[in-house]
Amino acid sequence: DGGITQSPKYLFRKEGQNVTLSCEQNLNHDAMYWYRQDPGQGLRLIYYSQIVNDFQKGDIAEGYSVSREKKESFPLTVTSAQKNPTAFYLCASSPLWTGEITNEKLFFGSGTQLSVL
Amino acid sequence: KQEVTQIPAALSVPEGENLVLNCSFTDSAIYNLQWFRQDPGKGLTSLLLIQSSQREQTSGRLNASLDKSSGRSTLYIAASQPGDSATYLCAVSLDSGYSTLTFGKGTMLLVSP
Repeated sequence: DGGITQSPKYLFRKEGQNVTLSCEQNLNHDAMYWYRQDPGQGLRLIYYSQIVNDFQKGDIAEGYSVSREKKESFPLTVTSAQKNPTAFYLCASSPLWTGEITNEKLFFGSGTQLSVL
Repeated sequence: KQEVTQIPAALSVPEGENLVLNCSFTDSAIYNLQWFRQDPGKGLTSLLLIQSSQREQTSGRLNASLDKSSGRSTLYIAASQPGDSATYLCAVSLDSGYSTLTFGKGTMLLVSP
C-alpha cells in the first residue's frame, strides 16, 4: 500500500542532544513537508522540499535541520538549539502542481511525539 | 498574514444530527481550501479539497462549501455517527505548492450514541 511512514512513534530527547525523525514515502511525490503541532494549535510549517537536494525554511525553522538525498526520504533533525522541542511532528507529501485542476491533496504520516526527558 | 479561524472549538452532538463546522480566513486570495480529519494521536486525513474556482465539494455524507469573497467555508456532516468523532481542521493555501498552507486550530467533534 502507498503511504507515508514516520518513525519512531514516540521519541525522548535529553538536554543537549540532537534527535532525528524519519519520514519515508512511496507515493512518488516530489514535495515533502514537516509540520509541528502543539496542543490546541494549528499546524506550523518547519521545512519543505520540492526536489531532491533542495529544501526551504518554513515559518519555524530555527533549531531544526533537514536533508533530501532521496525522493522518498525527508528526515528532520531536532537540534539542541531548539529549546522547546516537545510537540507532535507530522510529515506530509504531495504531488507538484502540473497546471491542471486535479485532486492534489496533501497526504500525512501518522506522526512522531517528541518529549524532553 | 493569512489567519484561519474555526468555530466552534468543540462540539458535542447526539448521533443522527446534521451539523455544520465553520471556517473563516482573512485573505480571500486563496488557491484552494482543504478540510482534514485528525483522530487523537494520529496524522491528518484529507477529506475534501475545494479549488478557488469551485463553490462546493461532496463526498458521501460530507459537503464542503466555499465563499471566497466573504472568506468562509463550511463543512456539513449529515446524519452524524459516533465514528465521526475526531478533530476537523480547515486549511487554506495561497498557491499550488502547499508551502503557504495555513491551518486553523480545529473543531473537536464528539458524536455520542
